[in-house]
Amino acid sequence: DAGVTQSPTHLIKTRGQQVTLRCSPKSGHDTVSWYQQALGQGPQFIFQYYEEEERQRGNFPDRFSGHQFPNYSSELNVNALLLGDSALYLCASSPRAGTTIYFGEGSWLTVV
Amino acid sequence: AQSVTQLDSQVPVFEEAPVELRCNYSSSVSVYLFWYVQYPNQGLQLLLKYLSGSTLVKGINGFEAEFNKSQTSFHLRKPSVHISDTAEYFCAVTGGGADGLTFGKGTHLIIQP
Repeated sequence: DAGVTQSPTHLIKTRGQQVTLRCSPKSGHDTVSWYQQALGQGPQFIFQYYEEEERQRGNFPDRFSGHQFPNYSSELNVNALLLGDSALYLCASSPRAGTTIYFGEGSWLTVV
Repeated sequence: AQSVTQLDSQVPVFEEAPVELRCNYSSSVSVYLFWYVQYPNQGLQLLLKYLSGSTLVKGINGFEAEFNKSQTSFHLRKPSVHISDTAEYFCAVTGGGADGLTFGKGTHLIIQP
């Protein structure tokens, strides 16, 4: 049983570019959340997707957007990248009625 | 809204000694509490969680935590640590539903031989 899988694992982008990160939830999970973890900090909640809709959003600007597909996988898009967007982006999944949240290994984004 | 305070950024402890990592939270609603561990260059692994019921929760790798509602605390303990426990530990809280997890800043557990 595969856990939460994310791609790519590492990437480097230039300031002003756009990036898309991908996530496949754990089998049986239909809810996907995204978190940003800056170096030396705890993860911060970006948003949660369920039934292909954004259900809750943290304190992040509109440059951060997402999508959930019918198979429950998800994408995180970040536009107009800033140097401060450099971080580990973590995807988490859970069953809708459950509270056990599993995390993937993350995607390391470096903005230069 | 919730917040989490992890009182120690680093905790050094000798191998086979006991350890306690402290976590306090604030919330205006009932919460669920979690401890996650993060090894270098990896994602987060769930150690244990408190949802309801018994306030003493046992998790993986010999860890346990006690929920204290009056002190709004959820401290993590292990009676005897091993070198392999060296990692970053995060306490997190959520109100459930569509609420995301709110994390503390983490505690770096350093095991000394």
